[in-house]
Amino acid sequence: DVKVTQSSRYLVKRTGEKVFLECVQDMDHENMFWYRQDPGLGLRLIYFSYDVKMKEKGDIPEGYSVSREKKERFSLILESASTNQTSMYLCASSFGTGNQPQHFGDGTRLSIL
Amino acid sequence: GEDVEQSLFLSVREGDSSVINCTYTDSSSTYLYWYKQEPGAGLQLLTYIFSNMDMKQDQRLTVLLNKKDKHLSLRIADTQTGDSAIYFCAPAGGFKTIFGAGTRLFVKA
Repeated sequence: DVKVTQSSRYLVKRTGEKVFLECVQDMDHENMFWYRQDPGLGLRLIYFSYDVKMKEKGDIPEGYSVSREKKERFSLILESASTNQTSMYLCASSFGTGNQPQHFGDGTRLSIL
Repeated sequence: GEDVEQSLFLSVREGDSSVINCTYTDSSSTYLYWYKQEPGAGLQLLTYIFSNMDMKQDQRLTVLLNKKDKHLSLRIADTQTGDSAIYFCAPAGGFKTIFGAGTRLFVKA
């Protein structure tokens, strides 16, 4: 069974801090994704990666960066956290082409004070 | 950009059928997924339909696709309290999957 693990379920940080969210998958998937989920807005794609060291901007990349040094790990970085980045963050992975089903972690609820 | 629309809430009585509707704009979608999100968890793949199909049945779940109108629906027969969750419509084409805002299903006992 595919396992996508996000390092924290809940995280509280202060405005201006640099924040790292980590995600690891154990199924050798090529593709990894970071979304944020806000009520009424659904899932919005922040960044995705289709290979090690490769990254592509999603729909809302501003204020975020990502790192994929190893195939199994995809990190989301908030360079200087702001209150409007308070949200639920979901990591997902999939194999093959981009239209294959995605497997999700349980999410990290991030609060920026 | 491409868009997916779903109603935000649906309330049904236990034992009734639930129908969740979705309209989308991307005509190149080859797979059309339904995901389920239970409280405090990530999304789980529930079922899917290929774009060349009209209907797919999987136990209590029936997916209907009207490709001409770009309309997708999910019917849950004999809805149970354990079906209470958020359901996401997610058409996938090319390298992209677009998620709707999700329909929160409330099941009244």
